[in-house]
Parts: sequence; structure tokens; C-alpha cells
Amino acid sequence: NAGVTQTPKFRVLKTGQSMTLLCAQDMNHEYMYWYRQDPGMGLRLIHYSVGEGTTAKGEVPDGYNVSRLKKQNFLLGLESAAPSQTSVYFCASRTGVYQPQHFGDGTRLSIL
Amino acid sequence: AQKVTQAQTEISVVEKEDVTLDCVYETRDTTYYLFWYKQPPSGELVFLIRRNSFDEQNEISGRYSWNFQKSTSSFNFTITASQVVDSAVYFCALSDHALNFGKGTSLLVTP
Repeated sequence: NAGVTQTPKFRVLKTGQSMTLLCAQDMNHEYMYWYRQDPGMGLRLIHYSVGEGTTAKGEVPDGYNVSRLKKQNFLLGLESAAPSQTSVYFCASRTGVYQPQHFGDGTRLSIL
Repeated sequence: AQKVTQAQTEISVVEKEDVTLDCVYETRDTTYYLFWYKQPPSGELVFLIRRNSFDEQNEISGRYSWNFQKSTSSFNFTITASQVVDSAVYFCALSDHALNFGKGTSLLVTP
């Protein structure tokens, strides 16, 4: 069982570059989420999706875009990376709003 | 608005001590779910427990136990006879459209 897979695991970018983080789940989950984790801040919600073709903003959406063209994939894009976006990014999915979230292993992103 | 507060930023104990991690939450919903997750030094997030707002029974799983009290809006987590492998960051979370996480408590268990 792959569960939730995040690609890549590590990445270093220069300020102004763009990139896309991929999250794939094989559990047929409707709900998918992107969080960022910064020291002392816990996990903060960036964007989420309640089904294929839907997206919604979370707590800290600025500077990010997302797409959910296929049910199993949830993409997080940085159009013009900034040093403030240096963080560990976690993707998660779940079957319903009160169910536990299953997390990927995270993507460590550094922006110089 | 929903909010989760984990007032203890860091806790350090010696192996075999009992330790309680506090979690206080705020919500206007009558139906809600609370969660605990563990994040070991390797970085992954591991689900530990889910509790709904209608079930105030305490839960015990091995050395882990959880005390849910609606009257004080708390969902505390106790580790009995702590072990070095319990060293991790522990997050409490409250569910609405997503999980609202507390900032976490870093637990260090030393031999």
C-alpha cells in the first residue's frame, strides 16, 4: 500500500523560480489537503479539495495555487518562490470530514 | 472559529516517568472530532486516536491513555512509563473542513 506519496522529497530553489509539488493517493479519498510546517507553528492549511475539480483556500494560501484535475492527485504550485516559503510541506487525504487524515512523508523545500 | 491550544512547548522527562500532554480546544460546533498525531524525529505524521464530541469515555491503549472532558474543553494525552522511543512532537487537532492543529508539544525522554 503506497498510501499518500509526495514528489519530490527535497528541493532547493532560487528566489523567483517556479515549481510544482505532486501529491498522489491510492485510497480513493475524496478530501485532500496541503499543509506547511514551520518551527513552532504546527501545521497550517494552505489549500484543500473536497473532490475532483474542486479547490478551496486554507489559512495561508497566498503565493500558492493548487489543482485537482484527477481524484487521486493534488498539485501545489509556487509561481514565484520566495524565501518565506521555505518549509516542510505535507499532503494529506481522508475519506470524510471526520475521518483521520493520512499524511505523506513531506517535502522539504528550501528557497535561497 | 476553531482553535487548539497546546500550552506546553517542550517537556523533558526521564525514562519510566509518566507524562501528560495538555490540549485545550475552542469550537462552537456541537458535533466535532478531536485527534492526536505523533511526529517522531524521522518526520512522518502518525495518527494515534480520534474521539467524537459525544463520547467522553476515557481511552486506553497500552501505555497511552486519553482523557476527554467537554466541561473543560480538554483532550489530554498521558504516556505511562515513558520510553526513549516516545520522544517526538505530539499534535492535538480539531476537525472541521480540515484539521486545525495545535502548535505541538515536543517530548524528550532521556534514559
